[in-house]
Amino acid sequence: DAMVIQNPRYQVTQFGKPVTLSCSQTLNHNVMYWYQQKSSQAPKLLFHYYDKDFNNEADTPDNFQSRRPNTSFCFLDIRSPGLGDAAMYLCATSRDPGAGETQYFGPGTRLLVL
Amino acid sequence: RKEVEQDPGPFNVPEGATVAFNCTYSNSASQSFFWYRQDCRKEPKLLMSVYSSGNEDGRFTAQLNRASQYISLLIRDSKLSDSATYLCVVNRKAAGNKLTFGGGTRVLVKP
Repeated sequence: DAMVIQNPRYQVTQFGKPVTLSCSQTLNHNVMYWYQQKSSQAPKLLFHYYDKDFNNEADTPDNFQSRRPNTSFCFLDIRSPGLGDAAMYLCATSRDPGAGETQYFGPGTRLLVL
Repeated sequence: RKEVEQDPGPFNVPEGATVAFNCTYSNSASQSFFWYRQDCRKEPKLLMSVYSSGNEDGRFTAQLNRASQYISLLIRDSKLSDSATYLCVVNRKAAGNKLTFGGGTRVLVKP
């Protein structure tokens, strides 16, 4: 009964080779988020979509892009991965963007950059 | 200063004992508070929301102190399965539903 699904679970890419991570949800939630989490650190929000409206965090590098073709799917594109982009990438959803709404996380994609 | 701060631990807890730890937040406009649990190499999962009146869920009790700007989590009768990192999370209406995570407190329950 997976609600937030991320594929692949593990991704290995080469330095500078574009990579796309996928997230899908069966909750019909309006909001989808992408977080980056490095070892022993807190998850860091990269951006989120409220329906089709894209909201980028001010400190998210231009190297990170996102697409949301429909309610169920959201993609994270890393145009030219660097060694410092190796991390766990977490997708999350919430029904609404209001404060207090629970966010549901997917299992994450662990990215390794060689 | 980080917006949400936690003691990273680890808190080494004998099985069956009680453990408690706090989290402080710097923005007095913070409105919603949560404890998430994260197991090693897994995603964060909501443990409980934290309400002004305090709330309890089984062996877990959460408290909010707005005057001193901290929240706490207490775990009674610790189980081996309680070993995890506990993330303190806050958000503000002005920030939409952007969650701000603390760095986590690691708890290790030992036999």
